[in-house]
Amino acid sequence: AQSVTQLGSHVSVSEGALVLLRCNYSSSVPPYLFWYVQYPNQGLQLLLKYTSAATLVKGINGFEAEFKKSETSFHLTKPSAHMSDAAEYFCAVTLNYGGSQGNLIFGKGTKLSVKP
Amino acid sequence: GAGVSQTPSNKVTEKGKYVELRCDPISGHTALYWYRQSLGQGPEFLIYFQGTGAADDSGLPNDRFFAVRPEGSVSTLKIQRTERGDSAVYLCASSLNGNTQYFGPGTRLTVL
Repeated sequence: AQSVTQLGSHVSVSEGALVLLRCNYSSSVPPYLFWYVQYPNQGLQLLLKYTSAATLVKGINGFEAEFKKSETSFHLTKPSAHMSDAAEYFCAVTLNYGGSQGNLIFGKGTKLSVKP
Repeated sequence: GAGVSQTPSNKVTEKGKYVELRCDPISGHTALYWYRQSLGQGPEFLIYFQGTGAADDSGLPNDRFFAVRPEGSVSTLKIQRTERGDSAVYLCASSLNGNTQYFGPGTRLTVL
């Protein structure tokens, strides 16, 4: 069975500081991995995805994530936090059905706060 | 272009009542997914349609929950005899041929 663990339900950084949100996954077969962002009272927006191509994935808003099979990790980073990055971030995994996705399995989310 | 839309945005109902939640996917998207997000949790999968048929309904919690997609576009999630534990945000997503899922804004259901 697949699962996702996000370490830290709440992360607080100062504006301009490095953002690091941790995600570890469990999957018996090569997974697809995703990071979604959710702003208050809004739906989920895709930040980036890993689909077995390059292990370093660049997304929107300056975010990137690196797939590390040996560590079963897919941590999300951004070099310099901006106030507008304050939101909840979800890591998700799904099986690779020959290029198509099944349903997503989400972590519990990490709420990012950015201090001025 | 238009994204995934869900109606209503908020629904308040009384315990024991029947509710219907609607999802309009992105035009042309063949796959449609329903998820439920409880407070402080990540979304949990409910059901997945490929075209008109339910390809995977393993996430439906019990037989009070049912979903349809009769013409392969709009989908309706139906909940009978609602319980307070059904209170959550219900999210819909669509994708083209099973690729990236695009989410709607959700319907917040409150069962009093």
